[in-house]
Amino acid sequence: DTAVSQTPKYLVTQMGNDKSIKCEQNLGHDTMYWYKQDSKKFLKIMFSYNNKELIINETVPNRFSPKSPDKAHLNLHINSLELGDSAVYFCASSPSGDTQYFGPGTRLTVL
Amino acid sequence: QKEVEQDPGPLSVPEGAIVSLNCTYSNSAFQYFMWYRQYSRKGPELLMYTYSSGNKEDGRFTAQVDKSSKYISLFIRDSQPSDSATYLCAMPAGGTSYGKLTFGQGTILTVHP
Repeated sequence: DTAVSQTPKYLVTQMGNDKSIKCEQNLGHDTMYWYKQDSKKFLKIMFSYNNKELIINETVPNRFSPKSPDKAHLNLHINSLELGDSAVYFCASSPSGDTQYFGPGTRLTVL
Repeated sequence: QKEVEQDPGPLSVPEGAIVSLNCTYSNSAFQYFMWYRQYSRKGPELLMYTYSSGNKEDGRFTAQVDKSSKYISLFIRDSQPSDSATYLCAMPAGGTSYGKLTFGQGTILTVHP
């Protein structure tokens, strides 16, 4: 069983489109995260949710909106996609906030 | 200045070599130190987690922390081609930040047979 899963694995889309990435964890963790990894492999936190409540919101454009329908899911919706949004997006979950378990990533390419 | 600095490499070593990966940090609030390994096109996975200054060993891997110098290292003994990956150091802010991890840039390691 996959602990943290993301869909889709690859996403290719045009500038200006709106897209969503879904994340699910079956570990029973309370905290979930979204990270962005750029082309230089730099991994930066975007959002964190604890028990469906937004805890961390880094300096991320308003076009990015996370949604947590329940503790096991954290989705990321992106409006009006831009070229600079091209990256790999990772979802992660954690039982305690420190040790984090990452999903396989969603590779987003904006054309 | 970034809170966590890591030499991105790339680092290329022959099989069997001892590998040393390093990070420096500037935030004294960091108390926990982690090393993640990320294979190509995969998510990072936790390799080692240390708290105190000193060494922690796990098989061929040794994590070393020097809080006085704000310097951490990961040593890999008898390196194998399967160790080829990107290694990221990470530090949680702690407190009530719910584990906001600050990552280093990652060092790309290739171990060739």
